[in-house]
Amino acid sequence: DGGITQSPKYLFRKEGQNVTLSCEQNLNHDAMYWYRQDPGQGLRLIYYSQIVNDFQKGDIAEGYSVSREKKESFPLTVTSAQKNPTAFYLCASRGRTDTQYFGPGTRLTVL
Amino acid sequence: AQSVTQLDSQVPVFEEAPVELRCNYSSSVSVYLFWYVQYPNQGLQLLLKYLSGSTLVESINGFEAEFNKSQTSFHLRKPSVHISDTAEYFCAVSDLENTGFQKLVFGTGTRLLVSP
Repeated sequence: DGGITQSPKYLFRKEGQNVTLSCEQNLNHDAMYWYRQDPGQGLRLIYYSQIVNDFQKGDIAEGYSVSREKKESFPLTVTSAQKNPTAFYLCASRGRTDTQYFGPGTRLTVL
Repeated sequence: AQSVTQLDSQVPVFEEAPVELRCNYSSSVSVYLFWYVQYPNQGLQLLLKYLSGSTLVESINGFEAEFNKSQTSFHLRKPSVHISDTAEYFCAVSDLENTGFQKLVFGTGTRLLVSP
């Protein structure tokens, strides 16, 4: 099956702890994105990457970090500097068309 | 800067009734327009998109949207809804002048509630 996978589906974090969310795609897409979704709000862009070993900050990058060492993988780390990390996190990828395809999401809760 | 407005946060409707979900956008350049659907605790699925050509675009499950440049709108319609259409619907816009990096700007979403 071709698609985007995110793991884990649910994640719990203690205050002061860093956590990493996984995003993998086997669509051979160059571009990958991380979004944050809060209730009653649209999606907001955290980071994006257009090619391997390159990534750029989005609109709300503070408190987050990413890496893009492989074309298939774009993990997101939520650091202790992110003061309000409880949210639904969505990863997306895009190939040569103008359409972004989304993974199933990870729900992060701070305890 | 681009923006998307979805005026209705929630739209209740009875099964088999028609529905329209409104989307207006603001942009100084030509745009691509998208509708995504999200079921509870799931990711977004592409419903339909307007890139160019015919201003009326259709999805495989009976939804359609019409691009109206003069009114800067891309409203989503379905003539007869089903219980399974209950979900949240997001309108999104990206500009054509920066296709090297496609930034999608999303509306705040409209929750469609279909009851029997």
